[in-house]
Amino acid sequence: DGGITQSPKYLFRKEGQNVTLSCEQNLNHDAMYWYRQDPGQGLRLIYYSQIVNDFQKGDIAEGYSVSREKKESFPLTVTSAQKNPTAFYLCASSSLAGNPYEQYFGPGTRLTVT
Amino acid sequence: QKEVEQNSGPLSVPEGAIASLNCTYSDRGSQSFFWYRQYSGKSPELIMFIYSNGDKEDGRFTAQLNKASQYVSLLIRDSQPSDSATYLCAVRGTSGTYKYIFGTGTRLKVLA
Repeated sequence: DGGITQSPKYLFRKEGQNVTLSCEQNLNHDAMYWYRQDPGQGLRLIYYSQIVNDFQKGDIAEGYSVSREKKESFPLTVTSAQKNPTAFYLCASSSLAGNPYEQYFGPGTRLTVT
Repeated sequence: QKEVEQNSGPLSVPEGAIASLNCTYSDRGSQSFFWYRQYSGKSPELIMFIYSNGDKEDGRFTAQLNKASQYVSLLIRDSQPSDSATYLCAVRGTSGTYKYIFGTGTRLKVLA
């Protein structure tokens, strides 16, 4: 069953704690992405990666970190430096072989920090 | 000016009618255009993509692209209550970039 998995579905943390969100894909996609969605708002890009061991900052990278040690995996760490971490986090992936490079999303992780 | 603009809605249409959703973008070099459907509390689901000027039809959905006017639209024929969702427009930018810019979405309500 091909797709993108994210875990956990819901995550609760205390302020000041780092937390890591998992994202795995078995679509053999080269590129992977992390977005954040806040209520009533669009998707904002946090980080993206086009190849293993390489990644680029998106529009709101401050307070977040990522790694890409395997093609299938792109975990996101929300650090204590992120001022407003409570949000819906979405992982996505896309092939880089042939237009239009459509992007698919995982089910998301809803993070609540109190 | 936002890079990808959509009317937030809600857009209300009666069951069986045609729903028309619009999106404009600012980067004239944009390559590919996508429509996602997002139900409340769920992740976006890709429903259509288009990268050539003109119309592309898939079942009840038609995507329309006009690069000269920098707009892309989505028509939903025979709208059903199950089509009620937020529709996100996304644009992949200038050739060589693999970033996607999303609009804030249009909320569609199909009234039974």
